[in-house]
Amino acid sequence: EAQVTQNPRYLITVTGKKLTVTCSQNMNHEYMSWYRQDPGLGLRQIYYSMNVEVTDKGDVPEGYKVSRKEKRNFPLILESPSPNQTSLYFCASSLSIQSVSSYEQYFGPGTRLTVT
Amino acid sequence: KQEVTQIPAALSVPEGENLVLNCSFTDSAIYNLQWFRQDPGKGLTSLLLIQSSQREQTSGRLNASLDKSSGRSTLYIAASQPGDSATYLCACSGNTPLVFGKGTRLSVIA
Repeated sequence: EAQVTQNPRYLITVTGKKLTVTCSQNMNHEYMSWYRQDPGLGLRQIYYSMNVEVTDKGDVPEGYKVSRKEKRNFPLILESPSPNQTSLYFCASSLSIQSVSSYEQYFGPGTRLTVT
Repeated sequence: KQEVTQIPAALSVPEGENLVLNCSFTDSAIYNLQWFRQDPGKGLTSLLLIQSSQREQTSGRLNASLDKSSGRSTLYIAASQPGDSATYLCACSGNTPLVFGKGTRLSVIA
């Protein structure tokens, strides 16, 4: 089944304790991205990746890191989480984003992160 | 910078009614516009994707239209059902990565 998976689905952690949220897609998609969703603010992009070893900042990159060493994986790293990073996180992928006839985006099920 | 607005923020209708959700965007240089459905606490499910060269797309009881020149898209839901209750989001893809509206929360009352 074609899908985007995220792990963990739920995470409660404390301020300053490094964590990684994994994202994997099995559709051979070039484009992957991370969003956070907060009440009243909607979905905002954190980072995106056009292809392996190519990453770029989205609208709210501060406090986050990503890497794209393999096409299928795009982990989100919080080196020193803070309470303002408590949010619902989504990973997404698309076949491509560069061509004019760009493609549908597929979303993972979300990771609910609480930082105390 | 692209801005996407959805009005209304919330909508409540009786079962069986036809309804229209609105989405407007400020930059008409888009590649496509996508409509999503999101159930509470869940991920996003893609409903319809309209390429910039298209005017509309249909899937079952859903019909989405796109008017690039006026910066508008609508999602038409026919014969609404309680199972349609969810938040509906539109998103534009262009020279910048996907930009989302804040969504319309739809409640269909049985």
